[in-house]
Amino acid sequence: ETGVTQTPRHLVMGMTNKKSLKCEQHLGHNAMYWYKQSAKKPLELMFVYSLEERVENNSVPSRFSPECPNSSHLFLHLHTLQPEDSALYLCASSQDRGQGWYEQYFGPGTRLTVT
Amino acid sequence: GENVEQHPSTLSVQEGDSAVIKCTYSDSASNYFPWYKQELGKGPQLIIDIRSNVGEKKDQRIAVTLNKTAKHFSLHITETQPEDSAVYFCAASIRSGGGADGLTFGKGTHLIIQP
Repeated sequence: ETGVTQTPRHLVMGMTNKKSLKCEQHLGHNAMYWYKQSAKKPLELMFVYSLEERVENNSVPSRFSPECPNSSHLFLHLHTLQPEDSALYLCASSQDRGQGWYEQYFGPGTRLTVT
Repeated sequence: GENVEQHPSTLSVQEGDSAVIKCTYSDSASNYFPWYKQELGKGPQLIIDIRSNVGEKKDQRIAVTLNKTAKHFSLHITETQPEDSAVYFCAASIRSGGGADGLTFGKGTHLIIQP
């Protein structure tokens, strides 16, 4: 276990549904990330939060809405998704000390299927 | 933005032999290069990383080399074992002035260890 948990592990939703993905890190880190992993494509960075502030939004459609209420929790709110949004959504965390690069630790992911 | 190319997409080696996976990156400002291993149903797990001020790093059977001039880096696994079978991802990142930074990933290499 990496200390990063994600729920649910699997989710099937219709295009008109609203759902949320949850991530929790137990590592005392101060930065959290959402990545999308689709078949035959590289992992794509979606959002970055550092000290609970969003520092990067990687041109992600507005039907994906992140929320970081504190340094341990990260949510991804989903609404009116498209079938091409079906993918594995991965959460990661790291400790940013402002002096160099520190390792990112990933959770197991949420397998999302949009029908 | 940064672009990371990874080769080969599939690599099959005999147990006990060595495996080499290669990546190239486009942005000369990139200064952090981690490697991740992903097993079925799990999130990526960091196995080794290297920073741009180092040319080589080794951890038991795993080593990573970096050539900044040519903008490529490689993962070397010696004495391969069945448990090394997985998908391996390289990544690159630019450490900017403050806050956390996302990673740009390669497409992955499916490593198969033949008994």
